[in-house]
Amino acid sequence: GQSLEQPSEVTAVEGAIVQINCTYQTSGFYGLSWYQQHDGGAPTFLSYNALDGLEETGRFSSFLSRSDSYGYLLLQELQMKDSASYFCAVTNSGGYQKVTFGTGTKLQVIP
Amino acid sequence: NAGVTQTPKFQVLKTGQSMTLQCAQDMNHEYMSWYRQDPGMGLRLIHYSVGAGITDQGEVPNGYNVSRSTTEDFPLRLLSAAPSQTSVYFCASSGAGAETQYFGPGTRLLVL
Repeated sequence: GQSLEQPSEVTAVEGAIVQINCTYQTSGFYGLSWYQQHDGGAPTFLSYNALDGLEETGRFSSFLSRSDSYGYLLLQELQMKDSASYFCAVTNSGGYQKVTFGTGTKLQVIP
Repeated sequence: NAGVTQTPKFQVLKTGQSMTLQCAQDMNHEYMSWYRQDPGMGLRLIHYSVGAGITDQGEVPNGYNVSRSTTEDFPLRLLSAAPSQTSVYFCASSGAGAETQYFGPGTRLLVL
């Protein structure tokens, strides 16, 4: 089966940089996605990595190492509105594509 | 574009009742999926579909049925509601693959 591990909570200061790690175990790995979810809201897509390396989208970057089964989300110039839960999700390629989500990291940004 | 829409927003059921959660998307996406999210947990895949007429089970399919007769609609049926099905249900869609999913606003379901 699939399993993902990410820290349950992270606290960081406004304006700082924070890294949220995700390690996974899966068969037929296809790619790693990141989603943001504010309290009471729906998840929204942030980024996706299929190949090793860094993908940058504005203040957010995501990294993947397939050999280490590891990825991270990097948030720069933190803003109060970045306080939310962040989920990593693995897409596996066995047969039809299936997605498995981690349990999420609750990020609190403090002044 | 409305994106992904879900109805109802809230629902209270009694144990044993059945109901259908509606999901529709107007982005012509082939891939659609249903997740449930329980407090403090991630999203768990219930069922998914890779196109009209094709569905498959996810991680927690028991007690739920789906069908996909059109590209736009992907309803989720609860056959006989149980308190363990109290949760927030999200529908999502994506293009050719599953890696970039767009989520609906969710349905909050309480089973008494």
